[in-house]
Amino acid sequence: EAQVTQNPRYLITVTGKKLTVTCSQNMNHEYMSWYRQDPGLGLRQIYYSMNVEVTDKGDVPEGYKVSRKEKRNFPLILESPSPNQTSLYFCASQTAGGVYEQYFGPGTRLTVT
Amino acid sequence: SQELEQSPQSLIVQEGKNLTINCTSSKTLYGLYWYKQKYGEGLIFLMMLQKGGEEKSHEKITAKLDEKKQQSSLHITASQPSHAGIYLCGAVHTSGTYKYIFGTGTRLKVLA
Repeated sequence: EAQVTQNPRYLITVTGKKLTVTCSQNMNHEYMSWYRQDPGLGLRQIYYSMNVEVTDKGDVPEGYKVSRKEKRNFPLILESPSPNQTSLYFCASQTAGGVYEQYFGPGTRLTVT
Repeated sequence: SQELEQSPQSLIVQEGKNLTINCTSSKTLYGLYWYKQKYGEGLIFLMMLQKGGEEKSHEKITAKLDEKKQQSSLHITASQPSHAGIYLCGAVHTSGTYKYIFGTGTRLKVLA
């Protein structure tokens, strides 16, 4: 089954404790992206990657890091999480080279206290 | 300010009624997507429009993109409780990039 998986699905952590949210897709997609969703602000793009070792900033990259060492994986790293990063996070992937459907993961709900 | 404006923000309709959700941008859009989201869950792809004047339908849902590619509408005919959820429009707003923007969503409730 074609899918995007995220882990963990729920996470409660404390300020400053480094964490990683993993994202993996099994569709051989070149493009992957991270979003955060907040009430009243909608879905905002954090980082995206066009292919292995190619990443670029979205609209809200501050406080986040990403890496793309393998085509299927695109982890999101919070080096020093803060309460304003409490949010619902989505990973997505799609075929590159045109306008195609993005496939979204199930989401990771992060709470930073 | 939000680059993609959705209206209305919320909508409550009686089962069987038709409804329309709008998505508007001040810029030309390169690829307009409609997604449905159950509260707190992932996004389900509905339709994608790319050409000015394009219209697509799937079951009872029809989406249109205007000629200028700055406005899209999503129309549901004879709504059912299964249509309830949050509808999001998203778009690529800079040609040649993969920088996506999304509207804030329209929360739809359908009363049985």
